[in-house]
Amino acid sequence: DIQMTQSPSSLSASIGDRVTFTCRASQGISNYLAWLQQKPGKAPKSLIYAASNLQSGVPSRFSGSGSGTVFALTISSLEPEDFATYYCQQYYTYPQTFGQGTRLEIK
Amino acid sequence: EVQLVQSGVEVKKPGESLKISCKGSGYSFTNYWIGWVRQMPGEGLEWVGIIYPGDSDTRYSPSFEGQVTISVDNSISTAYLQWSSLQASDTAIYYCSRHEVVAVLYAGPPDHWGQGTLVTVSS
Repeated sequence: DIQMTQSPSSLSASIGDRVTFTCRASQGISNYLAWLQQKPGKAPKSLIYAASNLQSGVPSRFSGSGSGTVFALTISSLEPEDFATYYCQQYYTYPQTFGQGTRLEIK
Repeated sequence: EVQLVQSGVEVKKPGESLKISCKGSGYSFTNYWIGWVRQMPGEGLEWVGIIYPGDSDTRYSPSFEGQVTISVDNSISTAYLQWSSLQASDTAIYYCSRHEVVAVLYAGPPDHWGQGTLVTVSS
């Protein structure tokens, strides 16, 4: 299985801050990488696919980058509704695998 | 509007069987993969497996192979995840998700999610 490792595990930030999360794959996955957001008690929400493409309806303050083994999710200016847990997921091969998540908390 | 609606909360005893469902609407059900994800209490997301309703091609994570069965009933646009003998360690929320086809035999990223089904297994 391809292992996905996210860093940091948690992050404290303030409204208006710019934050970046990192996701590393144990082997190359081209750009077959998705980012998901999950709020407590809710289902995941898909944010980004193919490493850098926004899903329909996702605000433009979210952006993704990377290819191969290193990827990043950036939120350019935090809004109150952005505090959640973020997961990366590779779909390069089966089984599709997730990172362990980065929890974004309000400072 | 694309929707995935999952069946309700389940409380079962160890050794019992269970089948939970995920009904798709607002799109052509047979043209998209349906995946299943487990989230144990307080934990992250784990990929269980995926099925293509068009031909019932099914793939499982090695961690779940033999432990669960994924199936579909295209006549009612519904995918299923089932257990023949539940264990306490199956206690979790299970989510279904829709995935586009990116290549022959391959599912793409999830784009829509069900609301989740809480399964509690306790004696």
